[in-house]
Amino acid sequence: EVQLVESGGGLVQPGGSRRLSCAASGFTFNIYAMNWVRQAPGKGLEWVSAISPGGSTTYYADSLKGRFTISRDNSKNTLFLQMNSLRAEDTALYYCAKGGGDEHHNFFYMDVWGKGTPVTVSS
Amino acid sequence: EIVLTQSPGTLSLSPGERATLSCRASQYVSSRFLAWYQQKPGQAPRLLIYGASSRATGIPDRFSGSGSGTDFTLTISRLEPEDFAVYYCQQYGNSPFTFGPGTKVDFK
Repeated sequence: EVQLVESGGGLVQPGGSRRLSCAASGFTFNIYAMNWVRQAPGKGLEWVSAISPGGSTTYYADSLKGRFTISRDNSKNTLFLQMNSLRAEDTALYYCAKGGGDEHHNFFYMDVWGKGTPVTVSS
Repeated sequence: EIVLTQSPGTLSLSPGERATLSCRASQYVSSRFLAWYQQKPGQAPRLLIYGASSRATGIPDRFSGSGSGTDFTLTISRLEPEDFAVYYCQQYGNSPFTFGPGTKVDFK
């Protein structure tokens, strides 16, 4: 069964940092792009970041302004999101999502989603 | 950044009716790289359509996607009770890979 399990969320003070993880199983992790998407309470989906299968190319939402860093460890089938200088507006449920396509063609639509990990930024 | 606008914001329909959801992009979406997702309360989104018109695995054929360039449509031919949800479009042709604000399909 294809599965994504996020972890690392919690309560963080403004200005603080947090590292989210996403453990992948049931598919060949190192041939797919991966994404992070977030959803603030009662709001819509916001794409946050994506990374190529090998990890050499990364993409970010303009609004993040260098505060977040996506990375992956293909030897451990794990995706990460390092979040720094956190603000109240970063409060959201953070989803990890697998990119579509196959070993020859990678795309940044999302065909498998985790259940999300909540991040609350508050003093 | 490509901005996606979805209309209407809310669509009030009855089971058995046809639903037509619109997604308009502020710029050309290359190679029809447009996807649609369904999200129900308390659940993660589910991929419905990618490549503007290709149904994802396991998606019933009452869901169909069409369009190109800047105008895209998701059609649900006959609404089933489980189809009442929020629908999002997403473009993945150019980073940042933006989502639209969503259309809520609810019971009339």
